[in-house]
Parts: sequence; C-alpha cells; structure tokens
Amino acid sequence: DTGVSQDPRHKITKRGQNVTFRCDPISEHNRLYWYRQTLGQGPEFLTYFQNEAQLEKSRLLSDRFSAERPKGSFSTLEIQRTEQGDSAMYLCASSLALGRYNEQFFGPGTRLTVL
Amino acid sequence: AQTVTQSQPEMSVQEAETVTLSCTYDTSESDYYLFWYKQPPSRQMILVIRQEAYKQQNATENRFSVNFQKAAKSFSLKISDSQLGDAAMYFCAYTSGDSSYKLIFGSGTRLLVRP
Repeated sequence: DTGVSQDPRHKITKRGQNVTFRCDPISEHNRLYWYRQTLGQGPEFLTYFQNEAQLEKSRLLSDRFSAERPKGSFSTLEIQRTEQGDSAMYLCASSLALGRYNEQFFGPGTRLTVL
Repeated sequence: AQTVTQSQPEMSVQEAETVTLSCTYDTSESDYYLFWYKQPPSRQMILVIRQEAYKQQNATENRFSVNFQKAAKSFSLKISDSQLGDAAMYFCAYTSGDSSYKLIFGSGTRLLVRP
C-alpha cells in the first residue's frame, strides 16, 4: 500500500451539476477524514468516519454534501447542485485510531473547479 | 472555539541558513496536540513535527525543531540548514484530546528558499 489515494485529481464541472469524489485510505486505517482547502487558506474539517460510521459533520457540510464509507474502506464525497463557491481542493486523510492521537496521512487531493 | 493563527503569509531564507515560522493558538483545553505540516507545490501534505501539550520538552526532528510556549500559546517552527527542498507552504495545526482528533489549521506560511 502506497498511501492515501484520491480520484479524480482534478474535476471541472458546470454550476448545478453533481460531482462525486473517491478516497482510498491506507488499508488498515479505521479513521477517514475529509477536509476542504480554498486558495490561500489552510484546510478546514468537513467530516470524519470511524469504520463505516460517520461520527461528526462540520457546519460547512451543507445538505448538498453527502459522504459515505459503506464498508469501512473507501469513502465517497458527493456534492449536489454545485455552486462556484464549492471550488476548492478536497483533501482526504486517514489514520489508525488506537486511543491516543495517531498521525493523519493525507492524500493528494481532488481539485474542483465549478464554472 | 479553538483557533490557529499564522501571521506570516510568506517568509524567505537563504539556503543553509535558519528560519523560524510563527504560530499562535487559542484553546481552553488542557489536553491537545500541535503540529507543523508541509505542503509542497502540487504535492500532498506531510507531517513535519508534532508536540503533545503535556510534554514540556520541545520536539525535534532532524533539522526541524519547535519552540512550544504553553502559557503564551505559541508554537514556532525552526528550520536549520535550510535546503531548496524545504520550499513549501507550512501549516500549523491543532487538535484537542477529544475523540475526533480533527485538525484545525492556520492559514499557512509560504517558505521561499534562495539558492
């Protein structure tokens, strides 16, 4: 396993279209996080999963956003009716949670451009 | 709410010299972790160094060290013997000792290394 992977790396879409991103974490990692990074800013937390359970969602995650991790492995992030304000880099990270904090490993991100 | 502030949008250092990146944070928690992440251009974020709040000793990783001032809520990163490969965005990040371990990032400092 070579790390966290994300697909696609780049996505250009028109306003109003739906998009879906995929994240494949490091195989033994039970936690998966989604962050959003806009230009010139640090990443902002969106949501996280422990195994298949979505345990927390940020207020940034409007009802147009939905994330799943159906079998506790890969995760998808879907944005419905995209808006220009959704243009950002969407980062996925995974970790192996064993009590005390364990390092989050980041994927390369999916850059979304909404025209 | 916890916040992380990086007041230096950009820093420049001569190759082989030392540079210090600043970070302050605000929290009422007693159990937390602080991090410095490096994000090279078009590449994924990687962890540079981590500090646990209950440890008084400053963390060190090869050429990277931190100055953790808990009372002042300050967490600076010192890079010694700067190399061209150190050029990147550097993000200071915080997580509390609650169960989610979601990361809260600062806005980043772009480090330029002059040959």
